[in-house]
Amino acid sequence: QQQVKQSPQSLIVQKGGISIINCAYENTAFDYFPWYQQFPGKGPALLIAIRPDVSEKKEGRFTISFNKSAKQFSLHIMDSQPGDSATYFCAASIRGGADGLTFGKGTHLIIQP
Amino acid sequence: DADVTQTPRNRITKTGKRIMLECSQTKGHDRMYWYRQDPGLGLRLIYYSFDVKDINKGEISDGYSVSRQAQAKFSLSLESAIPNQTALYFCATSDPLNTIYFGEGSWLTVV
Repeated sequence: QQQVKQSPQSLIVQKGGISIINCAYENTAFDYFPWYQQFPGKGPALLIAIRPDVSEKKEGRFTISFNKSAKQFSLHIMDSQPGDSATYFCAASIRGGADGLTFGKGTHLIIQP
Repeated sequence: DADVTQTPRNRITKTGKRIMLECSQTKGHDRMYWYRQDPGLGLRLIYYSFDVKDINKGEISDGYSVSRQAQAKFSLSLESAIPNQTALYFCATSDPLNTIYFGEGSWLTVV
């Protein structure tokens, strides 16, 4: 049973465009929703995270939109740059992440110059 | 120096052999984790530990064991490696705000 479903699997966006990655979850006990960015040969690194008491969080060009009733959350990358090309993982957890994260399967994002 | 260091970074081993992946961290965090990454499957939690005396199974613990030798050290063992354990393995720690910091990974190939 996959508890966090991520789409699309791969995404190509032109430089300057908006990249959108979506995730849906099933477990209503989840209370922490981070996004991780992974470059080839590196471990994932936290990009941005949200808790369900807010509907949106913005950090620079990165925004998480959260819809609690629909059990969905998404990552928006504004003004996408070639340096944003990476694999992105959404994740969810209970207890704020203390027991580890349940990850989506990842989205391979390519930003074309 | 990396905050979370994994050794070895790459290893090829034969089916049935015992293999240990080691992890050390300099961040002073109590919580440590082992994840496995497979192409198209994301990362899955193998084991996690809140301190030296507290070790917990994750989603896919079968076929693996762990040892928390000290606050800074957490090792993962495959007692009898099999080919479907070929994967990229990540060690991680988390801070009191539950931000998880990953090492750079250990590629393990079982032939």
